[in-house]
Amino acid sequence: EPEVTQTPSHQVTQMGQEVILRCVPISNHLYFYWYRQILGQKVEFLVSFYNNEISEKSEIFDDQFSVERPDGSNFTLKIRSTKLEDSAMYFCASSEWLTGTSYEQYFGPGTRLTVT
Amino acid sequence: KQEVTQIPAALSVPEGENLVLNCSFTDSAIYNLQWFRQDPGKGLTSLLLIQSSQREQTSGRLNASLDKSSGRSTLYIAASQPGDSATYLCAVGTITQGGSEKLVFGKGTKLTVNP
Repeated sequence: EPEVTQTPSHQVTQMGQEVILRCVPISNHLYFYWYRQILGQKVEFLVSFYNNEISEKSEIFDDQFSVERPDGSNFTLKIRSTKLEDSAMYFCASSEWLTGTSYEQYFGPGTRLTVT
Repeated sequence: KQEVTQIPAALSVPEGENLVLNCSFTDSAIYNLQWFRQDPGKGLTSLLLIQSSQREQTSGRLNASLDKSSGRSTLYIAASQPGDSATYLCAVGTITQGGSEKLVFGKGTKLTVNP
């Protein structure tokens, strides 16, 4: 069964460093998402991406964050200068075309980001 | 702003019991509702998706209902098993101005099924 994959599973970085989290969405999906979950808190929407551009972003997704689809398979989340409060589990998700009938979002296993 | 609440926060039951998990949301203008399972330190596994026009969905021992007008959904688990132990998340789908969908999550119900 097709699945969303994410690498690395765990990333430790120092405050102020740049990190890139990588995701490979399901191959026929056209919508891509990033969510995050701070330990003990709710899963929060960060950004959605369609047709090579951001479709929606949350208040959390400030100028420190960016997303990119550098090739036909990868979808990345970059944090330019990490802060302690960026420590969280980051989930990538993807879904099929949204045309009046909604489709399930399929989530990857997550990348645990620890900022020290 | 959509808010999703799940009650109870934790539930412990003996094996074989039928149980109900509750989810409520503040804005009834939803596109769909998804129930997920999350094992400790793991990702989110989609269990059921209910379209806004539907009242319920079933998959095996799971049945999810949706009452949009009252802002409620329930997840019914029949004949619970120790392997059902996990955190169950309810997520409401809304359409953004950009035309994509975003999910708003509840904090989850942590279920423990004791052998």
